Amino acid sequence: DAGVTQSPTHLIKTRGQQVTLRCSPKSGHDTVSWYQQALGQGPQFIFQYYEEEERQRGNFPDRFSGHQFPNYSSELNVNALLLGDSALYLCASSWTGDGYTFGSGTRLTVV
Amino acid sequence: EDQVTQSPEALRLQEGESSSLNCSYTVSGLRGLFWYRQDPGKGPEFLFTLYSAGEEKEKERLKATLTKKESFLHITAPKPEDSATYLCAVPPPVSYQGGSEKLVFGKGTKLTVNP
Repeated sequence: DAGVTQSPTHLIKTRGQQVTLRCSPKSGHDTVSWYQQALGQGPQFIFQYYEEEERQRGNFPDRFSGHQFPNYSSELNVNALLLGDSALYLCASSWTGDGYTFGSGTRLTVV
Repeated sequence: EDQVTQSPEALRLQEGESSSLNCSYTVSGLRGLFWYRQDPGKGPEFLFTLYSAGEEKEKERLKATLTKKESFLHITAPKPEDSATYLCAVPPPVSYQGGSEKLVFGKGTKLTVNP
């Protein structure tokens, strides 16, 4: 049973560019959450998608947006990249009442 | 105000030297406390969920316990392969209906076990 799959694994972008990260949830999971983890910090909640809608949002600017598709997969988009956006971006899937399964993350470096 | 505080930030042990990691929380009406293990460059791997004070769970050399104010992750006779960052997390105080709870994470404890 495949777990959570994220792509790409690594990405280097220039300030001001836009980036799209992708996530395929674990089979049977209908909820996808995105977290940002800076070096030496715990993951911070960005937002959560359930039934193709953004249901919860953390303290992140509107430059961060997302989407969930009918097959429950999800995208995270970040516009106008800043150096401070460099981090490990984690996708976690779950279904109501179950715990999270995390993917291995996408390491984004903004130069 | 941080809702989850982990200590120590880093811990070095010799193989076989038992110790404990601490996770204190300020959320009232706790609705679960989660422990994860994270290897460098990887996503967190689920270890335990605890729901009520007095609850204990074990997995190999790890045992997690919960009180009304904090949780401990006890590591008995650790091995080098136990080296990782251990994260704890809690849902926020406000219950959310629909989808799953978001988690508020501590900064983690980086454990190094030397052979």
